[in-house]
Amino acid sequence: DQQVKQNSPSLSVQEGRISILNCDYTNSMFDYFLWYKKYPAEGPTFLISISSIKDKNEDGRFTVFLNKSAKHLSLHIVPSQPGDSAVYFCAASPPRIDSGGGADGLTFGKGTHLIIQP
Amino acid sequence: ETGVTQSPTHLIKTRGQQVTLRCSSQSGHNTVSWYQQALGQGPQFIFQYYREEENGRGNFPPRFSGLQFPNYSSELNVNALELDDSALYLCASRTGGMNTGELFFGEGSRLTVL
Repeated sequence: DQQVKQNSPSLSVQEGRISILNCDYTNSMFDYFLWYKKYPAEGPTFLISISSIKDKNEDGRFTVFLNKSAKHLSLHIVPSQPGDSAVYFCAASPPRIDSGGGADGLTFGKGTHLIIQP
Repeated sequence: ETGVTQSPTHLIKTRGQQVTLRCSSQSGHNTVSWYQQALGQGPQFIFQYYREEENGRGNFPPRFSGLQFPNYSSELNVNALELDDSALYLCASRTGGMNTGELFFGEGSRLTVL
């Protein structure tokens, strides 16, 4: 039972155009969402996050949109660059607890392999 | 600032054996979690250690166990290895005080079980 779904295993985009990566979730308890980027032979690297109280968060070329009613989020990369070619993972977290204790871990999707073509 | 480091990077074991994987957390981080990433899948949460105690666990059997040391480094132990345990094992660290949030991952230890 996948609680976080990335339905596109791969996506090919021309350099300079917009890349849109999609993610759907089923657990309504999730309230914090993150995107990670992974190059081969490296660990995932944090890219951008969004809290459920927002519907948009922007950081340079990267923007994440959250539609809570549809349980859907997307990552936009504009403009796409060759170095953006990587696997992108969407991840979700249950409510943050400022106690230092109790952790359910992040729930990840299967990833989308983004290929930026020159 | 030193990032998360893991060892060994690759190893091969046979069914029924035991394995220990090691992780040094990023400087200043007191919380370590472990994830298993099977081929073609996203990382799956195994467990988390905070102040040397396990304080969260995913859907993994008891033969997956761990330790956290006073310097916040950590070990993942897997007993009675099965073929399906073949995967990339990722260690991640962060500062405590929050449930999850941003994690800093190491490069992983790739385990092959024959």
